Amino acid sequence: SYVLTQPPSVSVAPGQTASITCGGSHIGSKSVHWYQQRPGQAPVLVIYNDADRPSGIPERFSGSNSGNMATLTISRVEAGDDADYHCQVWDNRSVIFGGGTKLTVL
Amino acid sequence: QITLKESGPTLVRPTQTLTLTCTFSGFSLNTRGVSVGWIRQPPGKALEWLALIYWDDDKRYSPSLQSSLTITKDTSKNQVVLIMTNVGPVDTATYYCTHNSGFGEVFSDYWGQEALVTVSS
Repeated sequence: SYVLTQPPSVSVAPGQTASITCGGSHIGSKSVHWYQQRPGQAPVLVIYNDADRPSGIPERFSGSNSGNMATLTISRVEAGDDADYHCQVWDNRSVIFGGGTKLTVL
Repeated sequence: QITLKESGPTLVRPTQTLTLTCTFSGFSLNTRGVSVGWIRQPPGKALEWLALIYWDDDKRYSPSLQSSLTITKDTSKNQVVLIMTNVGPVDTATYYCTHNSGFGEVFSDYWGQEALVTVSS
């Protein structure tokens, strides 16, 4: 089955840029979606179809996808961005999630 | 405004059957391209997709859990039901119901409030 690999943790200082990766075989040929999950809350879609933002998601959130890696980039990181981030694709009639990345805002 | 709410038991005994109901509003499951699904998250672990059902009653299941899952819909009640048979302690998790968009490349754009289920004797 298809596997998505995310780093367990990423740390960044406020105001800096955070990059969270999601690796998978030929992931560039798939549509990648990203979810933010704050502690004790349900996940929220922040990027869909590689780089589109749902209504209400700040422009600071952006996505890219090419080759074997997709990336979620958060610019001008704020304390409120401290959360878990999950990538997701559709493969062979199934939804696949990555293991999640804990973003810590220092 | 799209909302979804999960309901069901908070405690289930091992080997029993778990039935979760998702009651939604703000959309119709008769609309082409729409699906409703279930995702769970064991404590401290990653999200795990379970199943989804499309507007046309087509269904998809997690390959690893397919034999124990059944998903159905009742469009007249705006409900989707997930049945999981022969549960065990590993099924202890927070369960989410989601509204999905995307033709083929499905993603969950709305999530329910969550339902915590504990499997224990």
